[in-house]
Amino acid sequence: EAGVVQSPRYKIIEKKQPVAFWCNPISGHNTLYWYRQNLGQGPELLIRYENEEAVDDSQLPKDRFSAERLKGVDSTLKIQPAELGDSAVYLCASSQGYSSGNTIYFGEGSWLTVV
Amino acid sequence: AQSVTQLGSHVSVSEGALVLLRCNYSSSVPPYLFWYVQYPNQGLQLLLKYTTGATLVKGINGFEAEFKKSETSFHLTKPSAHMSDAAEYFCAVKRETGGFKTIFGAGTRLFVKA
Repeated sequence: EAGVVQSPRYKIIEKKQPVAFWCNPISGHNTLYWYRQNLGQGPELLIRYENEEAVDDSQLPKDRFSAERLKGVDSTLKIQPAELGDSAVYLCASSQGYSSGNTIYFGEGSWLTVV
Repeated sequence: AQSVTQLGSHVSVSEGALVLLRCNYSSSVPPYLFWYVQYPNQGLQLLLKYTTGATLVKGINGFEAEFKKSETSFHLTKPSAHMSDAAEYFCAVKRETGGFKTIFGAGTRLFVKA
């Protein structure tokens, strides 16, 4: 069974440019997450989807970040315009529901460098 | 608010030695607890988790962890380190109240010396 797939793996852009990351979760997983992981830190949740609905986006910087999950499967995370401080790894993850001890499965991450 | 503290950002052990990575959490309600491992340039992979039942949890690659409610701890151990265990390890807490949000610790990087 395929895991969580993310693309691109690596991206280098100049500040003020836009960037987008794509994620395909594990088949059948209705919960999808986007995390940001800064160097030397643990992942921090940006947004969580239950099917098509964004149910927790409290940590998403909405002035420059946006996300969508059309049809409740694939998801895209966009940054526009990017700032130097956005350099991080953007991790997509999915799980079969969001209750109790459901395991979260992570993709390999999209590594963003803003110069 | 719940939080997760991993004691020691870096731990170095010799190959064959005991691995002990410490994790303490703050929560007034027994949480669900996880350990994830992250190898270089890869995403996080679940090592083990505690939800209910037996407090000693066995995971993959010979790792295990024990939930100690009285100490609010969930330390990760492995009797004998292998070179392939060198990675970053993250402890995570998930609690029913507050919307089941998963909070990750800052991580502990494990170095294994030959």
